[in-house]
Amino acid sequence: EPEVTQTPSHQVTQMGQEVILRCVPISNHLYFYWYRQILGQKVEFLVSFYNNEISEKSEIFDDQFSVERPDGSNFTLKIRSTKLEDSAMYFCASSDRGYYGYTFGSGTRLTVV
Amino acid sequence: RKEVEQDPGPFNVPEGATVAFNCTYSNSASQSFFWYRQDCRKEPKLLMSVYSSGNEDGRFTAQLNRASQYISLLIRDSKLSDSATYLCVVDPAGGGNKLTFGTGTQLKVEL
Repeated sequence: EPEVTQTPSHQVTQMGQEVILRCVPISNHLYFYWYRQILGQKVEFLVSFYNNEISEKSEIFDDQFSVERPDGSNFTLKIRSTKLEDSAMYFCASSDRGYYGYTFGSGTRLTVV
Repeated sequence: RKEVEQDPGPFNVPEGATVAFNCTYSNSASQSFFWYRQDCRKEPKLLMSVYSSGNEDGRFTAQLNRASQYISLLIRDSKLSDSATYLCVVDPAGGGNKLTFGTGTQLKVEL
């Protein structure tokens, strides 16, 4: 079964440092997303991406966040200057039609110390 | 009112039991509805979409009541492997640009 691949599975970084979280969506999917889940809380939408541009973003997705599809296979989330409150599980997802529901990757656990 | 509201549980049920989860959503214009399953510290996995006519997939039945803004999931003949957190998920605008998740209902199926 096709899957969304995320790397690394766990990243520890110091406050103020930049991190890049990487995702390889399912190859024929056109819609890409980032969500996050703070421990013990609900999954929250960050950003959706289609046709090489952001389709929608949440209030969480401020100027510290950016997304990029640098080549035909990778989809990245960059946090420029991490804060303690950015500690969470970050899930990448992809979809071929959007409204059919997504396939999520296994996540990157980001710990900011 | 929360965008998507669920009873957090936990629901502790014996193997073989029937269990029902409910969910309400606040945006009456919401277009698409889903149930996802999330195991501890894992990614959400799509369990089923929810349609106004109701739909069934094996032991799982989902119902949508648009007038009451209410979604339900029924699990029959519970298995130990059904133990997980069940997430009610709403797509407010349709088209899949953004999903809004509930906090989830935890199910524990016991021997």
